[in-house]
Amino acid sequence: GESVGLHLPTLSVQEGDNSIINCAYSNSASDYFIWYKQESGKGPQFIIDIRSNMDKRQGQRVTVLLNKTVKHLSLQIAATQPGDSAVYFCAENINGGYNKLIFGAGTRLAVHP
Amino acid sequence: DAGITQSPRHKVTETGTPVTLRCHQTENHRYMYWYRQDPGHGLRLIHYSYGVKDTDKGEVSDGYSVSRSKTEDFLLTLESATSSQTSVYFCAGGGSADTQYFGPGTRLTVL
Repeated sequence: GESVGLHLPTLSVQEGDNSIINCAYSNSASDYFIWYKQESGKGPQFIIDIRSNMDKRQGQRVTVLLNKTVKHLSLQIAATQPGDSAVYFCAENINGGYNKLIFGAGTRLAVHP
Repeated sequence: DAGITQSPRHKVTETGTPVTLRCHQTENHRYMYWYRQDPGHGLRLIHYSYGVKDTDKGEVSDGYSVSRSKTEDFLLTLESATSSQTSVYFCAGGGSADTQYFGPGTRLTVL
């Protein structure tokens, strides 16, 4: 079926290193993608988004890359900090009518000092 | 929490009792959503609303109903709670083809 998935369920990195979290999607009609961060006991928090007419978008310490050829999405976090420890979800919009989002299961990022 | 609050934040109830969760938003979002989050399943859409009194089902709507009598409030009701409805419930709001912003969540335990 069509779904959003993640390659790595857990990612451990050293503080100061760069982190890359990957996501595969299977719906070629999806035109909007979002990355969320969820800390323990909190709701998902918007990080960055990208539309299908772009292949890269940068924010503060974060970059999202979209490769439509292989249906792959990635989130890069520069100079990872302990506060970046959380679960990260990618989501794809498969129906612009009511903005239905399909979420992946999530990747846990653990940052070690 | 992007102007979205949920109440209560925690609730314990017994099987067979009715439960209503409330979502309130101050951002004039047209669209509002209720999700549940369970280990191994991620976020799953229960119901959504695309305007006042306009609602529709999501992928896991059985056992749930919703109402939206005004833009600011979106209520989720479990008519007769079951143990399988123990979960963390998130409300979200957003515009069309736009980011969804989430509330802090409600942890519901059905004994």
